Amino acid sequence: DAKTTQPPSMDCAEGRAANLPCNHSTISGNEYVYWYRQIHSQGPQYIIHGLKNNETNEMASLIITEDRKSSTLILPHATLRDTAVYYCIVSATGRRALTFGSGTRLQVQP
Amino acid sequence: DAGITQSPRHKVTETGTPVTLRCHQTENHRYMYWYRQDPGHGLRLIHYSYGVKDTDKGEVSDGYSVSRSKTEDFLLTLESATSSQTSVYFCAIRETGTGSSYEQYFGPGTRLTVT
Repeated sequence: DAKTTQPPSMDCAEGRAANLPCNHSTISGNEYVYWYRQIHSQGPQYIIHGLKNNETNEMASLIITEDRKSSTLILPHATLRDTAVYYCIVSATGRRALTFGSGTRLQVQP
Repeated sequence: DAGITQSPRHKVTETGTPVTLRCHQTENHRYMYWYRQDPGHGLRLIHYSYGVKDTDKGEVSDGYSVSRSKTEDFLLTLESATSSQTSVYFCAIRETGTGSSYEQYFGPGTRLTVT
């Protein structure tokens, strides 16, 4: 699986959009970009994934650059409950598990 | 909600004792995983299963064994617990997404302390 690079921490004001970047310059053509988050002491939570098109669901939007070397997770209206560690993971299909890096610790400020 | 439960949720045990953690799922998913999470290491794969009686090792499998005799249950056993196995253990299942993607859904975790 391709390696990802994320900033260790970010702050965001409540009600504003949170934009979390991820670099994955060695991504292969068959690898998806997945985003998970982990709220303190809980199990990781799946957020969204994409291959090359931008994706949106009820939780977030995922913007993938045309060359697929980076992506941005957007939480459109961050709330205090969005404070968590966010993980960007690149993985191809298969039986293998996901490789979690250090992630970005997002702190939403009131 | 992927219908994943883990038991026990908390356990304190002594060095050298055997410990079994249980992961139970209600939706007949074929793939199940055991991870451990420690400060500074993120989540690391211990073992996974791709069907009943089909299991394979992950990156940190030493000191652990697993069994899956039925689809819904995936058991993780520490044959002789050591202090280095103090950790939070997460079980996960894999769901097939769109195309050839897949998502994993995690249980609430088991906090194990070995004294």
